[in-house]
Amino acid sequence: AQSVTQLGSHVSVSEGALVLLRCNYSSSVPPYLFWYVQYPNQGLQLLLKYTSAATLVKGINGFEAEFKKSETSFHLTKPSAHMSDAAEYFCAVSVGGQAGTALIFGKGTTLSVSS
Amino acid sequence: SAVISQKPSRDICQRGTSLTIQCQVDSQVTMMFWYRQQPGQSLTLIATANQGSEATYESGFVIDKFPISRPNLTFSTLTVSNMSPEDSSIYLCSVGTGVKEQYFGPGTRLTVT
Repeated sequence: AQSVTQLGSHVSVSEGALVLLRCNYSSSVPPYLFWYVQYPNQGLQLLLKYTSAATLVKGINGFEAEFKKSETSFHLTKPSAHMSDAAEYFCAVSVGGQAGTALIFGKGTTLSVSS
Repeated sequence: SAVISQKPSRDICQRGTSLTIQCQVDSQVTMMFWYRQQPGQSLTLIATANQGSEATYESGFVIDKFPISRPNLTFSTLTVSNMSPEDSSIYLCSVGTGVKEQYFGPGTRLTVT
């Protein structure tokens, strides 16, 4: 069975600082992994995805994530935080490791950015 | 990519009533899913809506409470039946495409009083 654990329900950074949001996964098959962002009172937006190609995945808004099989991790990073990055971030894994199937989400991490 | 719309965007309902949420996609898709996001929580899969057959429900969700229709490859509905305040959530539909990702609708924010 697949599962996702996001370490840290709340992360606070200063504007311009490094953003690191942690995600560990468990999967019995090669996983497809995703990061989504949800701004207040809005829907989900796909930031980036890992689909067994390059292990370093670049997404929108300057975010990237690295798939590390040995650590079963898919942490999300951004070199320099911006105030507009404040939002809820969800890591997700595709059920059964199959394309276009349902997702299992982590509990989410709230990112706060201070000036 | 896929563009997904949901109706209504929000609603306030009285307990004991039912609400049907519509999900429309701008292209034909095989896989459609319904999720629930309770206040301050993550997303939980309710069911997979299969075209031409019964929906497949996840543990903890039953057809009598959340009946789903999928009449064609671009449309689905989710009904929240006999509502209680515990059903107050955001309900999101999503579609799976052949390129290993899902797109989400904007969600329906339901408040049950």
